[in-house]
Amino acid sequence: AQSVTQPDIHITVSEGASLELRCNYSYGATPYLFWYVQSPGQGLQLLLKYFSGDTLVQGIKGFEAEFKRSQSSFNLRKPSVHWSDAAEYFCAACSGNTPLVFGKGTRLSVIA
Amino acid sequence: EAQVTQNPRYLITVTGKKLTVTCSQNMNHEYMSWYRQDPGLGLRQIYYSMNVEVTDKGDVPEGYKVSRKEKRNFPLILESPSPNQTSLYFCASSQTSVNTGELFFGEGSRLTVL
Repeated sequence: AQSVTQPDIHITVSEGASLELRCNYSYGATPYLFWYVQSPGQGLQLLLKYFSGDTLVQGIKGFEAEFKRSQSSFNLRKPSVHWSDAAEYFCAACSGNTPLVFGKGTRLSVIA
Repeated sequence: EAQVTQNPRYLITVTGKKLTVTCSQNMNHEYMSWYRQDPGLGLRQIYYSMNVEVTDKGDVPEGYKVSRKEKRNFPLILESPSPNQTSLYFCASSQTSVNTGELFFGEGSRLTVL
């Protein structure tokens, strides 16, 4: 079955430190891949997406993600985290005409 | 402003009392969907619609109904709510009927069923 796994339920980082959130997918072929962010009390907002081509994709708010076919991964990164980045992050995937499948999310806390 | 609007944002109701959560988008999107979000379970799709008068079940459709009579509206109906439907609900839309995953989300409707 198609699935998206986010191994980390909760991550805490210091403000200014780098961040990497992990995402692995299980699909027959390379799916379309996405990262969404959910700030407290808000809906989800698309951060970035990967369809094909360059495996390093840039998104909004200074985030980037790297697609690695060999590892079935699509990890999200940010060089320097700001307190306003505290939120829940969801990795998602879909293939062709199939509905979007979300991971269970990683909650990011930022400490001073 | 492009947006997906859900109402109500918060609702407390009792078991068995029918309720409807409305969803409206102003982007002329073809695709609309409902999700529920529960702690530890992430987002799970309830129903989706590829276009007007076309709806399909998602992963957790039991206890819910939807309709898509107009392109902009996609209401979620709970005919006889039960406590296990207490959840945070999100409506989302996408420009094309082929689900490319670029969804625009509403701000959510928190439902409590007593």
